[in-house]
Formats: sequence, C-alpha cells, structure tokens
Amino acid sequence: RKEVEQDPGPFNVPEGATVAFNCTYSNSASQSFFWYRQDCRKEPKLLMSVYSSGNEDGRFTAQLNRASQYISLLIRDSKLSDSATYLCVVRLTGGGNKLTFGTGTQLKVEL
Amino acid sequence: DVKVTQSSRYLVKRTGEKVFLECVQDMDHENMFWYRQDPGLGLRLIYFSYDVKMKEKGDIPEGYSVSREKKERFSLILESASTNQTSMYLCASSSTGWNSPLHFGNGTRLTVT
Repeated sequence: RKEVEQDPGPFNVPEGATVAFNCTYSNSASQSFFWYRQDCRKEPKLLMSVYSSGNEDGRFTAQLNRASQYISLLIRDSKLSDSATYLCVVRLTGGGNKLTFGTGTQLKVEL
Repeated sequence: DVKVTQSSRYLVKRTGEKVFLECVQDMDHENMFWYRQDPGLGLRLIYFSYDVKMKEKGDIPEGYSVSREKKERFSLILESASTNQTSMYLCASSSTGWNSPLHFGNGTRLTVT
C-alpha cells in the first residue's frame, strides 16, 4: 500500500461548482499535512497547511480525519484558474523532515 | 518571500557524463531536499540535508550523490548520467519545525541522451 494515496482524476467540473478531494495516508504516526498546487510544467507551490481542527483560506477548506487517516480539500465556487494538480503531502513523526507526496489529483474547471 | 533558485531550467547531457545540479536558497533554511518527478510516480525524494555537510538518503539515492558545503547551497551530482535519469529535478528547502512546509525551486528538466 502506498504511504499517501490520491485519486488521480481528472475531475472535470463547471465553473462555480464545489469540488472535494480526499487523500489517505497509511502511517498513523503522520504528524503534519499540507496541500500543494502544481500547474503544468511548474514547481509545486504551498496551497495550505492542514490543521487538526480544520482550516479555511478563502474558497479553500482543508480537513483532517485522524481516525480514518485521511485529509480532504474542498474548493468552493471553482474558477478556471483553479485548474491544476493538487498534491497531498504528509510528514511522519520522528521522520526527520522527510515529507511524502501523493501523486496528485488533477482538476479541470470548464466554462 | 522564500526564494529557491536552481541553476538551470533545461539541461541536455550525454550518457556517462558527470552532471551537477545546483540549488541556492536565500532564507537561511536548515533543511534542503532534492526530488525527482516523473509522470505517474509523483515526487520521489533522492537526498536531503538538515545541516551543512550533513546528508541523508531518501527513497531513491542510487546513482546520485549530494554536497552541502554551505548552508544556502545544495548540489545534486549524477556521477555517470544514464537515460533513466531523464526527469524533472526539484530542489526544496524548509526551516526546522514540525509544521514547516517545503519551498520549491522552479525545477530543472534534465534529458540524458
């Protein structure tokens, strides 16, 4: 089983839609969690950290479910510019500073 | 804003050549990383360093070495490039702290022919 798993998509949604991605992780000792966004042929960029109580940044909401070992990303009112690949990232407790990346979920927002 | 700079955006090398990929960060970060990214495989960690002259193997260190002589600079070395090392190489840095994110450079697309 992969350490971090994501549905690769693509998720094709109309502009204005709400879309949600999940990411599961296998190691219960995982300590910190992030969502990154990666545009085609560009480097990943931090979208948001994921906190235990859940957190929101504008149209984006991240949730952590430790019991079921998954994190989620909700995007409301999708924009064309949200089209990208969303990477789930996990850091293990005691794993030094090693972060493990999921292979990403591709989102395409259409007119 | 954190700036991580990779020396080359595109690189074409021949099989057997020694290749140096350079990365510099300007935020005094302790940790630096080298990843490669391939379609369907995602980002895979090659090596990382948490201090000057310190290095740790990642998940796929075979065929690579690294050097960290100064805090701001982390070099990835392909001793004898092979075609299966054709990939996108991404350097990243972070501060210490359990919730510190990675900041990436804009990548080097290496083609080995």
